[in-house]
Amino acid sequence: DAGITQSPRHKVTETGTPVTLRCHQTENHRYMYWYRQDPGHGLRLIHYSYGVKDTDKGEVSDGYSVSRSKTEDFLLTLESATSSQTSVYFCAIAPTGRGDTEAFFGQGTRLTVV
Amino acid sequence: DAKTTQPNSMESNEEEPVHLPCNHSTISGTDYIHWYRQLPSQGPEYVIHGLTSNVNNRMASLAIAEDRKSSTLILHRATLRDAAVYYCILRDLQEYGNKLVFGAGTILRVKS
Repeated sequence: DAGITQSPRHKVTETGTPVTLRCHQTENHRYMYWYRQDPGHGLRLIHYSYGVKDTDKGEVSDGYSVSRSKTEDFLLTLESATSSQTSVYFCAIAPTGRGDTEAFFGQGTRLTVV
Repeated sequence: DAKTTQPNSMESNEEEPVHLPCNHSTISGTDYIHWYRQLPSQGPEYVIHGLTSNVNNRMASLAIAEDRKSSTLILHRATLRDAAVYYCILRDLQEYGNKLVFGAGTILRVKS
């Protein structure tokens, strides 16, 4: 299995509080991605990174920020959590952004905002 | 990103082959066809990818139409463990701006 660890795996937080989810990899892959998945829906890309300090927005980036200060860690921050951000969050990594390489996913973080 | 179209759901009997279709009529010459699957309560996992030729690995086979406007993921002998959501996506060969975007996928149900 690819070395990806998401933490925490489960979190309950209150509306209005800041939350940071961490994705840690041991593969030295350049690309890292954050997705959210809601019941009955597919994966929606929030943000992705193509290198240290290099990030870009995905389909549903409003309300989220990211940071990548070192290759192995990609942090997703909800500055002020809302109930609509209750979801399962997945991190993915890939050695490059090229289409001839595959991506590997973490096991997910279940976030509940009450 | 070029889009793909998949059936919402399919059903299969255990130990029989399964053919999961994907249409991608606007595929470009440098788009790779990727398949991922997501088992219940797990993160997605890579299954297979290809460009023009058919591909085989230990999990599945990928059959790509000659005009590349469609492809089929083949599970040779479905098991209950293959029940999952299967995603067909396109990824351009170019390095930058390649966002790895997923559609709704096909829910595969396997009957015993």
